[in-house]
Amino acid sequence: QKEVEQNSGPLSVPEGAIASLNCTYSDRVSQSFFWYRQYSGKSPELIMSIYSNGDKEDGRFTAQLNKASQYVSLLIRDSQPSDSATYLCAVALGGNEKLTFGTGTRLTIIP
Amino acid sequence: EAQVTQNPRYLITVTGKKLTVTCSQNMNHEYMSWYRQDPGLGLRQIYYSMNVEVTDKGDVPEGYKVSRKEKRNFPLILESPSPNQTSLYFCASSFTGIQYEQYFGPGTRLTVT
Repeated sequence: QKEVEQNSGPLSVPEGAIASLNCTYSDRVSQSFFWYRQYSGKSPELIMSIYSNGDKEDGRFTAQLNKASQYVSLLIRDSQPSDSATYLCAVALGGNEKLTFGTGTRLTIIP
Repeated sequence: EAQVTQNPRYLITVTGKKLTVTCSQNMNHEYMSWYRQDPGLGLRQIYYSMNVEVTDKGDVPEGYKVSRKEKRNFPLILESPSPNQTSLYFCASSFTGIQYEQYFGPGTRLTVT
């Protein structure tokens, strides 16, 4: 089992709809969780960080964390064509200072 | 402007020829890290540094060396590059550790023939 798993996609969502991206991780003691967005040919940039169970909202983005199920998700409301990118889930596994990324989910918003 | 810079951005080299990829940040960050990104494998951490003179292995350290003599610089050294080190490399920094946002450099595309 991979330490951080994501569905690689591609995930296609109509413009204006909700895009749902999912990530599972292997280590129960993980404390820090991140979603990064990476446009083609560019470097990753942080979208959301979440540290405790529940939902965290920032504009059109909502991160959801369920530590019991070892599951973190990202919802993008009112999807825009500019949201088309690869979304990377990252987890600080085992509470150490190493950051482990999933392989990313490629999201395409269809106008 | 707050940023992480990497040089060179593109490099084609031959097997066995030592090379260094430089990384510098101007944000006074304590934590710095190197990643490689490969299709289907995602971003994998090579080495990280919690502060000056403190470095530790990530998930794929074989064939790489790093040093942290100054807070702002964290060079990645390939003593004897091999074709399996052909990849896209990113340097990143954050305030004091991975619980904070990682700021990524623009990337260095390395090809080893």
